[in-house]
Amino acid sequence: EIVMTQSPATLSVSPGERATLSCRASQSVRTNLAWYQQKPGQAPRLLIYGASTRATGIPVRFSGSGSETEFTLTISSLQSEDFAVYYCQQYNNWRGTFGGGTKVEIK
Amino acid sequence: EEQLVESGGGLVQPGGSLRLSCAASGFTFNIYWMTWVRQAPGKGLEWVANIKQDGSEKYYVDSVKGRFTISRDNRKKSLYLQMNSLRAEDTAVYYCARRADFDIWGQGTMVTVSS
Repeated sequence: EIVMTQSPATLSVSPGERATLSCRASQSVRTNLAWYQQKPGQAPRLLIYGASTRATGIPVRFSGSGSETEFTLTISSLQSEDFAVYYCQQYNNWRGTFGGGTKVEIK
Repeated sequence: EEQLVESGGGLVQPGGSLRLSCAASGFTFNIYWMTWVRQAPGKGLEWVANIKQDGSEKYYVDSVKGRFTISRDNRKKSLYLQMNSLRAEDTAVYYCARRADFDIWGQGTMVTVSS
């Protein structure tokens, strides 16, 4: 099983600041990596797939990068609606696995 | 509108069974892999099982192998999860999702395993 590790667990950021979230895979997943945003009481929403492609309707302030085992989600200027939990997920093999999540909270 | 709607959750005793359903609408169901994902209260997301377009391949997380069965009916545009021998640790919101990178999610259905 591919283990996904996200860091930090919690990120405190002021509105308007930049947020950088990390995700590491225990073995190469090439660019078969997605990022999701989840708000309380809601289903997750796809932000990024293929490590760097924004999903439909996702603002340009969200960007993804990386390949193989190291990935980053960057939110260039945090808006109030961006405070949420973010998960990475690999889909390089048939059994997809998620990271433990990063909670982005207001500083 | 492309949509997934889960149903079938509820309260069940340990050792019991439950069948979840996921109804798809607004898209061509039979061209996509489909997946079940769950989230225990206050916890992160866990991939549970997925199924190929024609149902010929199925994969499960180790913790549910032999107890859960994923299936689909392309004519009815529906995905299913038969859950047997349920345990307290299966308590979670269960989501169905489309594709390997989950571009569409349902709203989830809550399963509570408790005596």
